[in-house]
Amino acid sequence: AQTVTQSQPEMSVQEAETVTLSCTYDTSESDYYLFWYKQPPSRQMILVIRQEAYKQQNATENRFSVNFQKAAKSFSLKISDSQLGDAAMYFCAPSSNTGKLIFGQGTTLQVKP
Amino acid sequence: EAEVAQSPRYKITEKSQAVAFWCDPISGHATLYWYRQILGQGPELLVQFQDESVVDDSQLPKDRFSAERLKGVDSTLKIQPAELGDSAMYLCASSPVFRAEGTDTQYFGPGTRLTVL
Repeated sequence: AQTVTQSQPEMSVQEAETVTLSCTYDTSESDYYLFWYKQPPSRQMILVIRQEAYKQQNATENRFSVNFQKAAKSFSLKISDSQLGDAAMYFCAPSSNTGKLIFGQGTTLQVKP
Repeated sequence: EAEVAQSPRYKITEKSQAVAFWCDPISGHATLYWYRQILGQGPELLVQFQDESVVDDSQLPKDRFSAERLKGVDSTLKIQPAELGDSAMYLCASSPVFRAEGTDTQYFGPGTRLTVL
């Protein structure tokens, strides 16, 4: 079975600084995608960034980038120039071969002004 | 921008009562997912539909939960009877045809917060 580990229950970052959220996962599948989703206090899940496992190049999306290490099954998220609006719970989620997402326990990010 | 719609947003019920949640996916999205999210945890899949067919309901407690997507568009999730442990957020998500165009991206609705007393 697929498992996802987010070892940092809570993280804190100063506004305008950079923070990295870690994620490791276990899968036996060869074709999959990895996602980071953000869930602000309003609770709606929003896509942050997506990575195709067959691509070696790390995905970037504005201030968000990932460090994808396929052999190590590691998928960390870097947030640069942190903003107050980045405060939320962040979930790492690889997809299964049927498309369903396997979510980690989440990391709560606090952004300090 | 198209969004996934869910109703109701909040539901309070007493144990042993029946409850139902509704989800309308983004137009044209063939795949629909229902997830359950207990407070402080990540969501877990309850059921996945491809059009009107169930793809995965292995984690759906079938003695009390049922889900349908009769015309392959909107979907209803029902719990009967509700138990205290069912208190959670129920999230609906949709995505385009599975693995078409190389994407699995799921788009989530606002969720239904269920409280069972």
